[in-house]
Amino acid sequence: NAGVTQTPKFRILKIGQSMTLQCTQDMNHNYMYWYRQDPGMGLKLIYYSVGAGITDKGEVPNGYNVSRSTTEDFPLRLELAAPSQTSVYFCASSYGPPSYNEQFFGPGTRLTVL
Amino acid sequence: GDSVTQMEGPVTLSEEAFLTINCTYTATGYPSLFWYVQYPGEGLQLLLKATKADDKGSNKGFEATYRKETTSFHLEKGSVQVSDSAVYFCALPERNTGNQFYFGTGTSLTVIP
Repeated sequence: NAGVTQTPKFRILKIGQSMTLQCTQDMNHNYMYWYRQDPGMGLKLIYYSVGAGITDKGEVPNGYNVSRSTTEDFPLRLELAAPSQTSVYFCASSYGPPSYNEQFFGPGTRLTVL
Repeated sequence: GDSVTQMEGPVTLSEEAFLTINCTYTATGYPSLFWYVQYPGEGLQLLLKATKADDKGSNKGFEATYRKETTSFHLEKGSVQVSDSAVYFCALPERNTGNQFYFGTGTSLTVIP
């Protein structure tokens, strides 16, 4: 099992550009999450999904979009990149609700917007 | 709203020293509490958890006791190793649906030989 994989590992964007961060898990988990990690701020939830076709906003969804067409994939879309979106992005998954199930994290994508 | 507060770092210890990382929480009721660890260059991974008051979670020599009287879940280890150098996050689930997590700001630990 590869677990949770994310691509790319690093990316530099110019202001106003768009990109999609890819996330795939091979554990047949129902729940998937996108977090951003800013220095000294811990992790903040951007969006999450409890199953294919179902997504919901987290704490900091503005400027992002997601889709969940399959159980395995949960891409995160940035439409108009802004410097405030410079961060490290983590995708995670769990079999069920995180209060009862361990979350498994990908290695992260470091994004810089200039 | 619900939240966790962690002691600020960074923390630097010598090998075999005793470790305590403080975590207090604000929540309605008695949610499960978690410690996650992030090793350099990696994503987070679950270290331990406690699902009810007075429970003790333990793993890899780390322990944390869920104390409702002091609303705390402090992480401890009796003798740290260089390989324990990482960032440690305290966390609790959001109250209504349990589908979201609130993470603390993280405490960076460096263990020197």
